[in-house]
Amino acid sequence: GESVGLHLPTLSVQEGDNSIINCAYSNSASDYFIWYKQESGKGPQFIIDIRSNMDKRQGQRVTVLLNKTVKHLSLQIAATQPGDSAVYFCAEREVGNTDKLIFGTGTRLQVFP
Amino acid sequence: DAGVIQSPRHEVTEMGQEVTLRCKPISGHDYLFWYRQTMMRGLELLIYFNNNVPIDDSGMPEDRFSAKMPNASFSTLKIQPSEPRDSAVYFCASSLGRGAAGAFFGQGTRLTVV
Repeated sequence: GESVGLHLPTLSVQEGDNSIINCAYSNSASDYFIWYKQESGKGPQFIIDIRSNMDKRQGQRVTVLLNKTVKHLSLQIAATQPGDSAVYFCAEREVGNTDKLIFGTGTRLQVFP
Repeated sequence: DAGVIQSPRHEVTEMGQEVTLRCKPISGHDYLFWYRQTMMRGLELLIYFNNNVPIDDSGMPEDRFSAKMPNASFSTLKIQPSEPRDSAVYFCASSLGRGAAGAFFGQGTRLTVV
């Protein structure tokens, strides 16, 4: 989920388990959503995206689910690996404003053996 | 391609000094974005350019911040004078034809103002 302030919400999972990271977005007019992964000392890296006319999209080991009714987005990571440890951000883009993304505050994923 | 290149990676400066952050976007990309990241506010868009022209600078905190893109392969973000509250990680990102959606981020510049 989302939080504001100094402490990111943290999800701790065991290697091999599935992870679910949640995001509540703010604007019902947003038409496009992206999940980014940010490793320590690096910039955000694109993972997967979804348009508002879809409710599910799958990639390699990742699935994004979109629930527009409650303005909720989730990222599912199958068979979580140590290399998945990072901060994950959702981002939304408003209809008619293709050039701007609004980022969530992020969730830290920790994978332990 | 080497990706988006930012320099310096780390900058420590004294309050009141001018700071210039540099960015080389991916060759051929027509959008360039400057973001600031802090624990309190997360990732914030400061300004972005399309074909070297500033399109939206509404995220620039105040007049102390300015950004330029003199050509397609170089952009600067300048803070003058710098203040401790400017301490953050500044990211540059570039994209081709998709606006912010297809942006590739640089490694960032960690700025500390003491």
